[in-house]
Amino acid sequence: KQEVTQIPAALSVPEGENLVLNCSFTDSAIYNLQWFRQDPGKGLTSLLLIQSSQREQTSGRLNASLDKSSGRSTLYIAASQPGDSATYLCAAHTGGFKTIFGAGTRLFVKA
Amino acid sequence: EPEVTQTPSHQVTQMGQEVILRCVPISNHLYFYWYRQILGQKVEFLVSFYNNEISEKSEIFDDQFSVERPDGSNFTLKIRSTKLEDSAMYFCASSSGTGTGELFFGEGSRLTVL
Repeated sequence: KQEVTQIPAALSVPEGENLVLNCSFTDSAIYNLQWFRQDPGKGLTSLLLIQSSQREQTSGRLNASLDKSSGRSTLYIAASQPGDSATYLCAAHTGGFKTIFGAGTRLFVKA
Repeated sequence: EPEVTQTPSHQVTQMGQEVILRCVPISNHLYFYWYRQILGQKVEFLVSFYNNEISEKSEIFDDQFSVERPDGSNFTLKIRSTKLEDSAMYFCASSSGTGTGELFFGEGSRLTVL
């Protein structure tokens, strides 16, 4: 049974800092891994998707990596801004018809 | 940009009442999903739907729940007799079924059961 864990649960950083959010999954047989952003009371916005055959994906200040063999993914945010404050979720698509989510990392970027 | 839309955004109901949550997935997508998020908890998979039938469902998705695609655009989640513990945010998602398998989520429907 796939389990997804995210560390840290919460993070507070000053504006401008580079930061790394961690995601681990127990079953390496994933189809893809997707990172989402969730603002309070809102839906999930897709940030990056890494397919199982890929090692990383980049979008602007965001870079996500995937190491299937070790069951890990990281989301790197460069030059953080107050507008980046949100909860970041990683989700592993098992290759069946469901995606398993981690509990998220709550990020607060101080101005 | 195409998006998944959900209605209502918030529904308050009495325990034991039936509730229908509606979703319009992205038009050329083939796979449809319902997830829920109880306040402060993880996003949990409920059910996936493809080719007019359920592909997979979780233990949460018991006989009180049903899904339907009544026409070419809507995808609905029905809860037959709501319980207090059904209070949650319910998210609809869709994916194209080709390529990357990227999931696109709606803004959610908040259900409050009193």
